[in-house]
Amino acid sequence: GESVGLHLPTLSVQEGDNSIINCAYSNSASDYFIWYKQESGKGPQFIIDIRSNMDKRQGQRVTVLLNKTVKHLSLQIAATQPGDSAVYFCAEIPNTNAGKSTFGDGTTLTVKP
Amino acid sequence: DGGITQSPKYLFRKEGQNVTLSCEQNLNHDAMYWYRQDPGQGLRLIYYSQIVNDFQKGDIAEGYSVSREKKESFPLTVTSAQKNPTAFYLCASSMGASSPLHFGNGTRLTVT
Repeated sequence: GESVGLHLPTLSVQEGDNSIINCAYSNSASDYFIWYKQESGKGPQFIIDIRSNMDKRQGQRVTVLLNKTVKHLSLQIAATQPGDSAVYFCAEIPNTNAGKSTFGDGTTLTVKP
Repeated sequence: DGGITQSPKYLFRKEGQNVTLSCEQNLNHDAMYWYRQDPGQGLRLIYYSQIVNDFQKGDIAEGYSVSREKKESFPLTVTSAQKNPTAFYLCASSMGASSPLHFGNGTRLTVT
């Protein structure tokens, strides 16, 4: 069977390594998913999104993977840099409750030089 | 520059006092939201508004009130009925229901 990545509240990686941040969502009716990055003392910023008709989407250094079978979302950051240190949240928006994003607990990523 | 402005950044109040947090956006977004964030936790939805003069309760609306008289503005009042008001409050807006949220930089409220 396929393994599901565990959600970890903290993740520490070496600069230059790839990072993988996992998120499990709960609502089968969710059809839109977003990853946000929150730096200390600031509001979250949009990183990348994916709709339920896709299983992968790539950005500049980020990739989001969606596995609807096990309700799992992951964010992959390539060549992690010190500026990537932040808290990362996944959010799901169900098609039955337009506008109400539900956020995960967040993962604090620390990049070691 | 388009964006969302929350003021003030830090706010201190005595228990029993109502306090209003400001949120203004110049993105021409129809929808606006208020979230509460406690240390080490995710964001919880307090109130949201999809159009002027209309708003709905979120998951933790008790002890809070809002108004949406103008498209650009969505102030949040933390009333004395809110039992644990000390938190980081985030305002957001979006173009519509299935659109990313644009957040302000938050107001940190401390009630003693």
